[in-house]
Amino acid sequence: EAGVAQSPRYKIIEKRQSVAFWCNPISGHATLYWYQQILGQGPKLLIQFQNNGVVDDSQLPKDRFSAERLKGVDSTLKIQPAKLEDSAVYLCASSLDPRLNTGELFFGEGSRLTVL
Amino acid sequence: SQQGEEDPQALSIQEGENATMNCSYKTSINNLQWYRQNSGRGLVHLILIRSNEREKHSGRLRVTLDTSKKSSSLLITASRAADTASYFCATVGGGSNYKLTFGKGTLLTVNP
Repeated sequence: EAGVAQSPRYKIIEKRQSVAFWCNPISGHATLYWYQQILGQGPKLLIQFQNNGVVDDSQLPKDRFSAERLKGVDSTLKIQPAKLEDSAVYLCASSLDPRLNTGELFFGEGSRLTVL
Repeated sequence: SQQGEEDPQALSIQEGENATMNCSYKTSINNLQWYRQNSGRGLVHLILIRSNEREKHSGRLRVTLDTSKKSSSLLITASRAADTASYFCATVGGGSNYKLTFGKGTLLTVNP
């Protein structure tokens, strides 16, 4: 079974530039998550999709971050314009069980962003 | 905001010893999960314990949950160098809130 695919693995940009990350979840997983992990900290949920609808985006900085999940499969996370504090690893995860009662999250390898 | 707080922040032990990590949380939960993250990689699920369970085992892992104290512990027995990683607890909220919220993690180093 293929895992969660993310790209690019690494990205270096200047502040005020834009960047986009792509995620392809495990086939059949209706729930998709984007987490931000700053060095030395735990992952922080940015946005959660159930199919192509947003379940939770309360911690997404909507003035600069946007995410979409067209057709309920792949997802993209965009940052425009980037700030220095956006330097982090952006982790995509998916799950089969939307209530997480019995299930778990499957994570991709992450996309490491450095903003100079 | 982060729900769980792991303790200690870092732990260094010798191969063969046991490693115990603790997690405290603040609000009611549906279940609690433990994940492992090797350096530069994604997180991998280890074990899930429901709010009505007190203890669970999986191979060399033992997890306990005390909902009255809002705390959990992860015990890794007979540790190996390959167990070196960061370990995170994550809580799934009670009620209709199914968001998975992670703590800051414990960095475990197992010396050969």
